[in-house]
Amino acid sequence: SQQGEEDPQALSIQEGENATMNCSYKTSINNLQWYRQNSGRGLVHLILIRSNEREKHSGRLRVTLDTSKKSSSLLITASRAADTASYFCATVISSNTGKLIFGQGTTLQVKP
Amino acid sequence: NAGVTQTPKFRVLKTGQSMTLLCAQDMNHEYMYWYRQDPGMGLRLIHYSVGEGTTAKGEVPDGYNVSRLKKQNFLLGLESAAPSQTSVYFCASRRGTSGGAADTQYFGPGTRLTVL
Repeated sequence: SQQGEEDPQALSIQEGENATMNCSYKTSINNLQWYRQNSGRGLVHLILIRSNEREKHSGRLRVTLDTSKKSSSLLITASRAADTASYFCATVISSNTGKLIFGQGTTLQVKP
Repeated sequence: NAGVTQTPKFRVLKTGQSMTLLCAQDMNHEYMYWYRQDPGMGLRLIHYSVGEGTTAKGEVPDGYNVSRLKKQNFLLGLESAAPSQTSVYFCASRRGTSGGAADTQYFGPGTRLTVL
């Protein structure tokens, strides 16, 4: 069964606007990761946040984690057309195996 | 470094045929994973390996077998393909030792499989 649920399923914004995607999960985690997938391509790792962290930044990306609500959000600031892709959150319950459990993803379209 | 490579990129099978998908990584990673991606389902873990000579079942292992005879290679086999196995298959690897990047998975470009 899917661990994560993402919201919204699809998002369309204008270039320059911010995009926010949310992810909820069901069980306690070791860490949560966000990946990007361009159409027809493999997944690319964006950012990892550990269960004892609340916020992380990487360039135009900001990720938050609220373990009490079992939720995370990914904010992309000043979006560009090149950010058009699907974004997936994935949780890791055990670092011993490192198994990723993916959500269904959010499809982001950034219009020029 | 090529990273993670997958062979073949595309394949069409008839029901009942068998095939092997090859995943290779040149990063000396301990952990390797096979996922399948279906429309609207996200990725689901089929099998994984925590080191050379080891394999374990993931979420959806039925109908698949795997082998990790060499550290750099992880093979996914379909013994008798079924239309339900039509999907895009992704391989990934992870370093697995402690440290900041140890938990990051690196994905291959995928294999698109159609079973008629």
